[in-house]
Amino acid sequence: DVKVTQSSRYLVKRTGEKVFLECVQDMDHENMFWYRQDPGLGLRLIYFSYDVKMKEKGDIPEGYSVSREKKERFSLILESASTNQTSMYLCASSLGDRASNQPQHFGDGTRLSIL
Amino acid sequence: AQKVTQAQTEISVVEKEDVTLDCVYETRDTTYYLFWYKQPPSGELVFLIRRNSFDEQNEISGRYSWNFQKSTSSFNFTITASQVVDSAVYFCALSALGDSNYQLIWGAGTKLIIKP
Repeated sequence: DVKVTQSSRYLVKRTGEKVFLECVQDMDHENMFWYRQDPGLGLRLIYFSYDVKMKEKGDIPEGYSVSREKKERFSLILESASTNQTSMYLCASSLGDRASNQPQHFGDGTRLSIL
Repeated sequence: AQKVTQAQTEISVVEKEDVTLDCVYETRDTTYYLFWYKQPPSGELVFLIRRNSFDEQNEISGRYSWNFQKSTSSFNFTITASQVVDSAVYFCALSALGDSNYQLIWGAGTKLIIKP
């Protein structure tokens, strides 16, 4: 089974802090994704990566950056956290090339609160 | 434009009832893929099924079944003899080349409550 592991289930940070959310997958998947999920807004793609050191912006990249130095690890960075970034963050991975139609497999999510 | 509509925001049924979750999609592509995911209260999204646009056969997996109809652009999900453990938010999603280059287009989700 695919295992996608997010470093924290719950995280509380302060406004202005630099926040790192880590995600690791164990199935050698090429693609990795970061979403945020908010009530009434569904899942929104922040960034995705289709290869090491490659990244593309999703629908809502503002205020975020990402890093993929190794194939199995995809990090989401909040450069200067703000209260409107309080949300549930979901990491996912999938097989295939950049235009992949393969299922995405998700981690348990990180519920981030910015005070 | 590509879009997925799950018109049912919340459905509540009593255990053992059958329940159908609706999903209507829009795309101009002839090749596309449809997905269903389940998100239980614990939060993890669980992949349930993928269907490509050339395969209109209905799928059955235990108490779950999926009805794909291209004529109405629908990919509905039925749970037979529902159980409390089926309580979750269910998402339908579309993947097509179109404008999104196969990134998933998500529906808003349907919250399913199964009462004992």
